[in-house]
Parts: sequence; C-alpha cells; structure tokens
Amino acid sequence: DAKTTQPNSMESNEEEPVHLPCNHSTISGTDYIHWYRQLPSQGPEYVIHGLTSNVNNRMASLAIAEDRKSSTLILHRATLRDAAVYYCILRSSGSARQLTFGSGTQLTVLP
Amino acid sequence: DVKVTQSSRYLVKRTGEKVFLECVQDMDHENMFWYRQDPGLGLRLIYFSYDVKMKEKGDIPEGYSVSREKKERFSLILESASTNQTSMYLCASSLKLAGGTDTQYFGPGTRLTVL
Repeated sequence: DAKTTQPNSMESNEEEPVHLPCNHSTISGTDYIHWYRQLPSQGPEYVIHGLTSNVNNRMASLAIAEDRKSSTLILHRATLRDAAVYYCILRSSGSARQLTFGSGTQLTVLP
Repeated sequence: DVKVTQSSRYLVKRTGEKVFLECVQDMDHENMFWYRQDPGLGLRLIYFSYDVKMKEKGDIPEGYSVSREKKERFSLILESASTNQTSMYLCASSLKLAGGTDTQYFGPGTRLTVL
C-alpha cells in the first residue's frame, strides 16, 4: 500500500470542528482512502472511507482533494470522546488483507 | 452495528502455559483476523481466516496457532506462552468485499501478560 503522512499530534477545543490532514502523494487510481481511530485501551474503529468524492457518515466527513494527493477527515463538533489516535490508510484492490497502520495523529480535545 | 467480542480484556499467564484467546463476531463476516499490537511496532497480523476451517499465516505466526470451526468464532492459541508474547491481542472481522472497499471491525482487545 502507498505511504501516507500525518501530523503526529493535534489539539482541538470541545464542540469545535477538527480537520485532520493526510498526505498521500503516491496514491494510485485504484487506492481507497480509509480512516480508522483508536481510543485509549480500545481496539481500532473504522471511521470512513472514500475513493474520489467527498463522503459523509454519522461519525465524520471525508474531504478528498481533486488530485487525490491529500485528504482531510472532518469531525464537525469534537467531543472529549473523540480523543484518539487517527490513522489514514490507503487500500487498493491488490493490497494485502491486513491493515497496516502508520503512526497516526494523536488528537487531544480540550474541555 | 457489528459486534466483535473477545473472551477476556486482561489475562495473566505463566511461561509455558497453553493460552486460548476467543473471538466471536455476530455479523456473518467471512474474514477474521488476529493481530498483536505493540508500542512502536503498530499492528502485526498473526493469522487470517477467510472461511470456516481455512487459515493463512500472517507476518508473525511463530508460536501461535488458530482454529475456526464455526463461521462466527476464531480462536488464537499460544501453544507454550513466552514472555515475548506479552502484548495487546486484537481480533477483527470483515466481509469478503472487493479489494480496497473492505473495512475491518475490531474487538476491544485482550491485554495478555506472560510472567
């Protein structure tokens, strides 16, 4: 799978939007962009995925740049429960079955 | 919602003991996975199963075996536990979808300590 780059850490205030960036300049045309998060002492949790168009679900929105070399996970109103490590992953049709997490972004939500 | 449950959240065993970690999913998923997660090493796949009685080795299968007799249940077995198997063990499941679109659903994890 192609490589992604994320900031090590970000802070947000509670009830404010959070934009978590991910760079993937070597993305190929068949790579899907997936986001997972891992709360402290929990297993990872699927958040959202997309290919080209922006995506919304009950947890978050995914904004994908037109050239697909970057994407942004948007949490519309951060809560304390959103404090977690967020992982951006690329998965293609030929990718290995397992998920490979990079170091991710540690999101801190301040009350 | 998909639910993946693991038999224990915390487990303490002694070196040489045989250890069973159980995982059950309730969404009729074909694929099931066992990972371990260690600080600085990320997720590493131990074993993968794509159907009942079918399994494939992952990146670090040594010292482990697995069993999948029923679709919903995937067991990880440490034949003779060693201290270097102290870790967080994560089970996951997914539908057999076209590559790139599959999403994995994880259990809460079992933190195993081998003394």
